[in-house]
Amino acid sequence: DAKTTQPTSMDCAEGRAANLPCNHSTISGNEYVYWYRQIHSQGPQYIIHGLKNNETNEMASLIITEDRKSSTLILPHATLRDTAVYYCIVSPGGGADGLTFGKGTHLIIQP
Amino acid sequence: SAVISQKPSRDICQRGTSLTIQCQVDSQVTMMFWYRQQPGQSLTLIATANQGSEATYESGFVIDKFPISRPNLTFSTLTVSNMSPEDSSIYLCSVEEWGRRNTIYFGEGSWLTVV
Repeated sequence: DAKTTQPTSMDCAEGRAANLPCNHSTISGNEYVYWYRQIHSQGPQYIIHGLKNNETNEMASLIITEDRKSSTLILPHATLRDTAVYYCIVSPGGGADGLTFGKGTHLIIQP
Repeated sequence: SAVISQKPSRDICQRGTSLTIQCQVDSQVTMMFWYRQQPGQSLTLIATANQGSEATYESGFVIDKFPISRPNLTFSTLTVSNMSPEDSSIYLCSVEEWGRRNTIYFGEGSWLTVV
């Protein structure tokens, strides 16, 4: 059963912020929200993860709603190299059980 | 983050043969996992590689088909046995880095084509 729901695809203009939504209405209290991306022919790249608080790193920001039922990944200034499939995953700490990947969102950055 | 090296990066294999994929990490890790990504599909977890003991397999994957070893904290192998064209996939190693709990990194994958 899918634990997350993401749009199949999204477009974003180069230089603009890309906001990728994810619904995870059945998330448990001990489950983290992870985001990965996969550029064609490469292994998935870790982006960010969080439990309850919003998180920011050099790649992106993760905004988690107060009820934790949804989240948004923000790429602040999208470039053409950000074109990829983005996966939102919930897991009780990936180190215990591995990660279950859904189909993800194909983000296309338009010049 | 940990640097994960997989060998081979790509191979073409004959039906009925077996191939062993190696995963080497440049630092100690706690957990190691093996995934498969079939053409056009998402990633599927095959198994957790346990140091010094038998791997833990997910539903649909068995040890006879995908034997796994993990002799130490930085190295693991996955063998794809008696290959058929349906085994043509990317096989990916992933790790949880020691001291960075709950953060999982992936190697670049091994592309296998079975003919």
